[in-house]
Amino acid sequence: QSALTQPASVSGSPGQSITISCTGSSSDVGGYNYVAWYQLHPGTAPKLVIYDVSNRPSGVSSRFSGSKSGNTASLTISGLQAEDEGDYYCSSYTASSTGVFGGGTKVTVL
Amino acid sequence: QMHLQESGPGLVKASETLSLTCSVSGGSVSSSAYFWAWIRQPPGKGLEYIGSTYSTGFAYYNASLKSRVSISVDTSKNEFSLKLTSVTAADAAVYYCARDVMRTFNLWGQGTLVTVSS
Repeated sequence: QSALTQPASVSGSPGQSITISCTGSSSDVGGYNYVAWYQLHPGTAPKLVIYDVSNRPSGVSSRFSGSKSGNTASLTISGLQAEDEGDYYCSSYTASSTGVFGGGTKVTVL
Repeated sequence: QMHLQESGPGLVKASETLSLTCSVSGGSVSSSAYFWAWIRQPPGKGLEYIGSTYSTGFAYYNASLKSRVSISVDTSKNEFSLKLTSVTAADAAVYYCARDVMRTFNLWGQGTLVTVSS
C-alpha cells in the first residue's frame, strides 16, 4: 500500500484560507468515505480534525473543513491563525481493510 | 473519558524484538465499537500505519511489516500490545497507540520513543 500523496508544504498569511490535497486511488481515498485529517504539533499527541471526509469532531474549530472529489481529498483551513501552524496528515481506509497515511504537509503561517 | 498510554523499553538492540503495550483507561478494549491500532513516526519522517486489532484477537497489518509484526489484545488487563521482530535502525520511531474506527484514529496515546542500538 503506497502512501497517499500530499504537498510537502503549504503557507498562508493570517486570515487567509489554505487547502491541502491528499491523493490516493480507487482502492483507498476514492473508494471509501473514511478519509481523516490529523494535526500534529511537536511533543503532543496527534489530533483528529476531520473524519469521514468532512465531519468535525466535537471541539474542533469550524475553520477546518474537508471534502473529496474522486481519488483526492482536501482539507481547507479558513481564517488561518498562528496556532494552525504544524504538520497535517491525511489517512484513509483501504481495500485491504488496513489504513494508510499521506506523507504529511507542513503548514506555515507567514 | 478514555485515555491511552504506551509503555515499554525505549531502547532495543538490533535483531531483537520490540515489545510495547498500550494501557486503556476510562473504557474497555472489549468494546464492540472499536479496533485498536499501532502507528509509528520515524524521526523526521511521516506517520506509518502498523496494524489494528479487535477484541476477538483478529488483526490487520501493514503489508510491508506483516512478516515481522504481531498485535494482540488482553481483555483481562484492558490493554493491547505490539511485537515487532528482527528490528533494525529503520524501526526507530515514536510509536503511538490509538483507538480505531474504520482506520480513523480518533484517540491517540502520547507516544513513546524507541531507539535501536547496534
